[in-house]
Amino acid sequence: AQTVTQSQPEMSVQEAETVTLSCTYDTSESNYYLFWYKQPPSRQMILVIRQEAYKQQNATENRFSVNFQKAAKSFSLKISDSQLGDTAMYFCAFMAGGSQGNLIFGKGTKLSVKP
Amino acid sequence: NAGVMQNPRHLVRRRGQEARLRCSPMKGHSHVYWYRQLPEEGLKFMVYLQKENIIDESGMPKERFSAEFPKEGPSILRIQQVVRGDSAAYFCASSRGHLPYYEQYFGPGTRLTVT
Repeated sequence: AQTVTQSQPEMSVQEAETVTLSCTYDTSESNYYLFWYKQPPSRQMILVIRQEAYKQQNATENRFSVNFQKAAKSFSLKISDSQLGDTAMYFCAFMAGGSQGNLIFGKGTKLSVKP
Repeated sequence: NAGVMQNPRHLVRRRGQEARLRCSPMKGHSHVYWYRQLPEEGLKFMVYLQKENIIDESGMPKERFSAEFPKEGPSILRIQQVVRGDSAAYFCASSRGHLPYYEQYFGPGTRLTVT
């Protein structure tokens, strides 16, 4: 069975600085996808970034980038130039290639951006 | 284009009552997913449906829970004879096509409280 582990329950960062959120996963699948979702206080889940396991290049979306280490089964999220609006819960998620809809989420990291 | 709609946003039920949670996917989306989020936990996949079909219900409890997505109207998650342990936030998501080729958009969730 696949598992997703986020070892940092809470983190804080000063506005405009950079922060990295950790995520590790366990799977025997060779084809899979990884995601980071943001859940602000409004509680609506928003996709931040995704990574296909077969791609070696790390995904990037504006201020958000990932460090995907396939051999180590690590998928960390880097947020550059942190903004107050980045304050939220961040969830790492895994999906096996053939599962279609079964996303497996970690327990989340609560990120606070301080002015 | 309105996002994924869920209602009610908050639902209070006494033990033994039935809970009906509704989800209207985004326009043009025919794939619906239900997740449950317990306090301090990540989301747990429950069921994946396409119009009139259940594709994957591997995360659904065997008893008391059912889901449907009729040809017309919203998707319904039904919980019969609710117990305190059913108290959680229930999120619906929709996509235009199969994951991971299409993005999954989440609704704001329904918070169910069982008293």
